[in-house]
Amino acid sequence: NAGVTQTPKFQVLKTGQSMTLQCAQDMNHNSMYWYRQDPGMGLRLIYYSASEGTTDKGEVPNGYNVSRLNKREFSLRLESAAPSQTSVYFCASRLDSWEGQTPAFFGQGTRLTVV
Amino acid sequence: AQSVTQLDSQVPVFEEAPVELRCNYSSSVSVYLFWYVQYPNQGLQLLLKYLSGSTLVKGINGFEAEFNKSQTSFHLRKPSVHISDTAEYFCAVADTGRRALTFGSGTRLQVQP
Repeated sequence: NAGVTQTPKFQVLKTGQSMTLQCAQDMNHNSMYWYRQDPGMGLRLIYYSASEGTTDKGEVPNGYNVSRLNKREFSLRLESAAPSQTSVYFCASRLDSWEGQTPAFFGQGTRLTVV
Repeated sequence: AQSVTQLDSQVPVFEEAPVELRCNYSSSVSVYLFWYVQYPNQGLQLLLKYLSGSTLVKGINGFEAEFNKSQTSFHLRKPSVHISDTAEYFCAVADTGRRALTFGSGTRLQVQP
C-alpha cells in the first residue's frame, strides 16, 4: 500500500519562482490536508479539503493556493515563492472529517528551500 | 479555538529509563487526542489515540498515554526506552466541530546509551 505519496521530495526555488507540490492518496479518504513544519513551531495547517470539490483555509494560507483535483489528489501551489516559505511540507489524508475521530495519515514530506 | 502545548522541547534520557512527554490542550468542546512520532527525515506516524472510554490508552512500541480531563492533559509515557525511540513526538487535538488536527510544537526525545 502506497498510502500518501508526495512529490517532489526535495526542491530548491529562486525567489519569485512558482511551483506545485503534488499529493495523492490511495486509501479512498475524504479529507486531505497540507501542513508546513518549521523548527519549534510544530505543524501548521495551510489548507484543507473536506471532500472533493471543496477547500478551506487553515492557519497560514497566505502565499499558497490549492486544488482538489479529484478524491485522490490535492495539490499545493506557490505562485511566487519567498524565502519565508522555506519549510518542510506535509500532505495528510483522513477517512472522515466530520466527527474528527479518525487519525490522519501523512506523506513523507517535501523539503523546500527558497533562495 | 483549540490549542496544544508541549512543555518540553527536548527530553534527554538514558536507555532503559522511563520517560514522560507532557501535553496540555485547551478547547471549549469535547476533544479527540493523538500522539504522533516522526523519525528523522520521515513523515508522521500515529502512536496512539484517545477517542472515548478508558482514559489510559496503549499504543505501538510500548507507549501509553493517559487522558486527564480535569487537568486537560494527555501525557505520553514509556516505562523503558530504547535507542530506537529517539525521534520527535507531536501531540495533536481534534474537536467534534473542526476538520483538521491542531498540533503542538513537538518534543525531541533523545535516548542516550
